[in-house]
Amino acid sequence: EAQVTQNPRYLITVTGKKLTVTCSQNMNHEYMSWYRQDPGLGLRQIYYSMNVEVTDKGDVPEGYKVSRKEKRNFPLILESPSPNQTSLYFCASSLPGLNQPQHFGDGTRLSIL
Amino acid sequence: EDKVVQSPLSLVVHEGDTVTLNCSYEVTNFRSLLWYKQEKKAPTFLFMLTSSGIEKKSGRLSSILDKKELFSILNITATQTGDSAVYLCAVLNNAGNMLTFGGGTRLMVKP
Repeated sequence: EAQVTQNPRYLITVTGKKLTVTCSQNMNHEYMSWYRQDPGLGLRQIYYSMNVEVTDKGDVPEGYKVSRKEKRNFPLILESPSPNQTSLYFCASSLPGLNQPQHFGDGTRLSIL
Repeated sequence: EDKVVQSPLSLVVHEGDTVTLNCSYEVTNFRSLLWYKQEKKAPTFLFMLTSSGIEKKSGRLSSILDKKELFSILNITATQTGDSAVYLCAVLNNAGNMLTFGGGTRLMVKP
C-alpha cells in the first residue's frame, strides 16, 4: 500500500533533549516536505527536499534540521527542543513535476515540556 | 508575504444541505490551488486547480478557480455526516516546491 509513514505518532519530552521524527515513503517520490500545524495558524512548511541531498528552508525552519540521504527517508531533527515547538507535525511527499499533489503522513503529535 | 484565507472558519449544517467553502489568496508566484480534507489524521487530497473557470468534480464535491479575482470555492451537495472534517485550501508556488495553506474551514454535518 502506497503510504507516508511517520514515527513516533506521539511523543512527550522535555526541553533540550534532542529528538528525531522519522518519515518514510514507499512511492519513490522525489519531493518530500515537513509541516507543522497549530491552531489558528494552519499548516506551515518547515523544510522541503526536491531530491536526495537537496534540502531547502520553508517558512518556519528555525529550530529544525533535516537530512535526505536516501530517497525514501526524510527525518526531522530537533537538536534542542523548546516548548514553542509543541505541535502536530506532518510529513508529505509527491512525484516530481509541477502538478503533482502532496500525500501526507498521519502526523506526529509532539509535546515539549 | 503569501497569504491564503478561508471562510467561514466553521460551519454547522444538517444532512442534505449544500455548503460552499471559500478560499481567497494573495501570492506572488501562483501555480495551482489545492483542496484537502482533514478528518482526524492526515489531510487527504481532493482537487488541484490550475486553470480558471474549469470545474473539477468528484461525486458530490466540486470546485472551481477564479484566477482574476484570486479565489476558489468548494461545493458539497447533499451533505452527509461523513463530510464532517476540516477542509484546507493551499496554494502551490510556481516552482512547485512550496505549499501555503489557509487556516481551514471546520464543517460539521448533523444528522
